[in-house]
Amino acid sequence: GQNIDQPTEMTATEGAIVQINCTYQTSGFNGLFWYQQHAGEAPTFLSYNVLDGLEEKGRFSSFLSRSKGYSYLLLKELQMKDSASYLCAVKNTGGFKTIFGAGTRLFVKA
Amino acid sequence: SAVISQKPSRDICQRGTSLTIQCQVDSQVTMMFWYRQQPGQSLTLIATANQGSEATYESGFVIDKFPISRPNLTFSTLTVSNMSPEDSSIYLCSVEDRAEAFFGQGTRLTVV
Repeated sequence: GQNIDQPTEMTATEGAIVQINCTYQTSGFNGLFWYQQHAGEAPTFLSYNVLDGLEEKGRFSSFLSRSKGYSYLLLKELQMKDSASYLCAVKNTGGFKTIFGAGTRLFVKA
Repeated sequence: SAVISQKPSRDICQRGTSLTIQCQVDSQVTMMFWYRQQPGQSLTLIATANQGSEATYESGFVIDKFPISRPNLTFSTLTVSNMSPEDSSIYLCSVEDRAEAFFGQGTRLTVV
């Protein structure tokens, strides 16, 4: 079967660092994505990992370990506008489909 | 990057009727994807639409309920047929460019 697990909700303080974890079991692997989705809006792309290691892009970093089926999204210097859902998604090698996790709702408090 | 124009942005429909959602992309793409996102949940793939062939539907979704057209490489429609309140959801179209997915603005459908 195919499964992507991530925490349902997290709360963090403005200015802090938060790590959102994602574990996956999929039929084949062709890359892992993180998307941000504000309430009532479409998802927007944050990061893409296909090789093991850390990808850094400004305040956002994403890590991948293919052998462990594990990824995390790291958000630094949190801002109130970072309050959103963060979706972990995996592209399989079969039909080029992207499978989405249920998302982690992040609440940033002052 | 790809820019997708999706419409309508929202609609309230009577049960038993049908609604057609349109997506226009500003570039030619091979595959377009249609997703459903129910309140508080993540995206569920309905089908993959290729130009010139029938759409490929995911488990739990059938062509009679969700017919899809893909007349060319920049346009697709999804129809939600014979609607019931359980079809109330957000419907999103998506394309991929260099492994990154781009989404339309979404159609918020309420069936009453």
